[in-house]
Amino acid sequence: NAGVMQNPRHLVRRRGQEARLRCSPMKGHSHVYWYRQLPEEGLKFMVYLQKENIIDESGMPKERFSAEFPKEGPSILRIQQVVRGDSAAYFCASSQTGGGDQPQHFGDGTRLSIL
Amino acid sequence: KQEVTQIPAALSVPEGENLVLNCSFTDSAIYNLQWFRQDPGKGLTSLLLIQSSQREQTSGRLNASLDKSSGRSTLYIAASQPGDSATYLCAVSSNDYKLSFGAGTTVTVRA
Repeated sequence: NAGVMQNPRHLVRRRGQEARLRCSPMKGHSHVYWYRQLPEEGLKFMVYLQKENIIDESGMPKERFSAEFPKEGPSILRIQQVVRGDSAAYFCASSQTGGGDQPQHFGDGTRLSIL
Repeated sequence: KQEVTQIPAALSVPEGENLVLNCSFTDSAIYNLQWFRQDPGKGLTSLLLIQSSQREQTSGRLNASLDKSSGRSTLYIAASQPGDSATYLCAVSSNDYKLSFGAGTTVTVRA
């Protein structure tokens, strides 16, 4: 499977718990992007990472949210002390380079539900 | 800040009719514009990508036009089929990586 892989597909957490979302980019892609889709809204950019570097995290809430893309392994979006408002679909995308002529390929997303 | 608007929010047509989906954006300084398809509970499938220097792109029954100066793009789907039922998203890249999305147009093609 050469596509962007996200897991889990569905994640249920209680308020105050931690959520970890994983994303493995397409083979040969070293640029990863995370987007959030709230109910009835469009996708919103959160963060852009390259291997071991955060390039732009301007769309990510300052508190409780963090992202990483280690040298080995998938990219991780981590949400600490989740609240009801964190319920959303979180999408990961990857591209071969960061150039504007490169399309971003999206995974199927992780649906996060907060009880 | 780039704002992307899609009209209409929902569209229902009989099979065989042509579809016209509209997208407008506020900042004409863009790198490219992409049209995506999203099925319920699924991810996004890229349909067409138009570079800022291009006026249109075509793939099979799909044709997308771009008028950068007026901040508009239109996606045409010819001879619609029930399998075309989905939500269609327009996304604009104002730098070389950050996509700004519209809220989408949900299309239903009636058999």
